[in-house]
Amino acid sequence: KQEVTQIPAALSVPEGENLVLNCSFTDSAIYNLQWFRQDPGKGLTSLLLIQSSQREQTSGRLNASLDKSSGRSTLYIAASQPGDSATYLCAVDEGEDSNYQLIWGAGTKLIIKP
Amino acid sequence: NAGVTQTPKFQVLKTGQSMTLQCAQDMNHEYMSWYRQDPGMGLRLIHYSVGAGITDQGEVPNGYNVSRSTTEDFPLRLLSAAPSQTSVYFCASSYVTSSYNEQFFGPGTRLTVL
Repeated sequence: KQEVTQIPAALSVPEGENLVLNCSFTDSAIYNLQWFRQDPGKGLTSLLLIQSSQREQTSGRLNASLDKSSGRSTLYIAASQPGDSATYLCAVDEGEDSNYQLIWGAGTKLIIKP
Repeated sequence: NAGVTQTPKFQVLKTGQSMTLQCAQDMNHEYMSWYRQDPGMGLRLIHYSVGAGITDQGEVPNGYNVSRSTTEDFPLRLLSAAPSQTSVYFCASSYVTSSYNEQFFGPGTRLTVL
């Protein structure tokens, strides 16, 4: 059974630092991996989706990488800002075998200090 | 284009009451899902649908019913509310192709069962 883990559960860094959030998964036979952002009391916003054939995706200051063989994905945030404070979740999609439903990590709560 | 909408945003129930959480999407997505999110845990799948008239159980289906009579709507029914169902509920819809599956989320319903 696929399991998704995000470590650390919480992270606090000063503004301006570059940082990396980690996501690991136990079964490398994945279809997609998706990173989401969740602000307190709000819904989830999709940040980046990496298809199984890709190694990375970029959007602005965000870069997500995927290494299926090692069961890892990282979300790199450059030049962090207080507005980046949120919980970041990763989710793995196993494709048709699981009817395209997502398996979720518990998230990393990120606080950027001004 | 409203995306995924959910009503109500907040609800308080007494143990044993029933209610329906509404979810609608205007993106013509075939796939729709219901999740619950509890503190310190990732999202857990309750029920999902791969098209009108087709539903299936997820990880935590007990105490919930769903139906999908149209592509747009996917209501979640609580049959007899219990305190263990206190949670935040998210509805999602997905655009799925042979190589791509991206989920879009509603803003959530925060439910308290007394």
